[in-house]
Amino acid sequence: EAGVAQSPRYKIIEKRQSVAFWCNPISGHATLYWYQQILGQGPKLLIQFQNNGVVDDSQLPKDRFSAERLKGVDSTLKIQPAKLEDSAVYLCASSLSSWNTEAFFGQGTRLTVV
Amino acid sequence: GNSVTQMEGPVTLSEEAFLTINCTYTATGYPSLFWYVQYPGEGLQLLLKATKADDKGSNKGFEATYRKETTSFHLEKGSVQVSDSAVYFCALSSSSNTGKLIFGQGTTLQVKP
Repeated sequence: EAGVAQSPRYKIIEKRQSVAFWCNPISGHATLYWYQQILGQGPKLLIQFQNNGVVDDSQLPKDRFSAERLKGVDSTLKIQPAKLEDSAVYLCASSLSSWNTEAFFGQGTRLTVV
Repeated sequence: GNSVTQMEGPVTLSEEAFLTINCTYTATGYPSLFWYVQYPGEGLQLLLKATKADDKGSNKGFEATYRKETTSFHLEKGSVQVSDSAVYFCALSSSSNTGKLIFGQGTTLQVKP
């Protein structure tokens, strides 16, 4: 069974530039999560989708971050404009449903903002 | 609000030593508790879980018991191997079952031959 796919693996951008990350969850998984993991900290949820609807985006900095999951399958997370403090690993995860909390994680995208 | 606190790392052990990584939590209701592991260069993987008080999760020789009276979920292994070197994250999912995971800060384990 294919796992959660993320791209790119690494990205370096200058502050004030924009960047987008892509995630393809495990086939059949209705719930998709984006987490931000700052160095030395545990992952923090940014946004959760159930199919193509948003369940929780309370921790998403909406002035600069946006995410979509238009067809209820793959998802894109965008940052515009980026700040230095956005340097982190962005993890995508999926689960069968929000009630089945065994989440499977991708390898993440490491973003460095300079 | 809900939170998870793990012991500070790094933890350095010799092969075959006994491992304990402490984890305590703050939550309302009856959360589910998890340990995730992140090997170098890989994504987070679920190691074990427990969904109610006094449950014991176990996998690959690791164990953790859900202790509601002490709000703890300590990870243990009787004999660690070099291949266990990784970062370990304790996490909870609230009793409202939204699926959202709240993680501790992670504990790095280094096992030396």
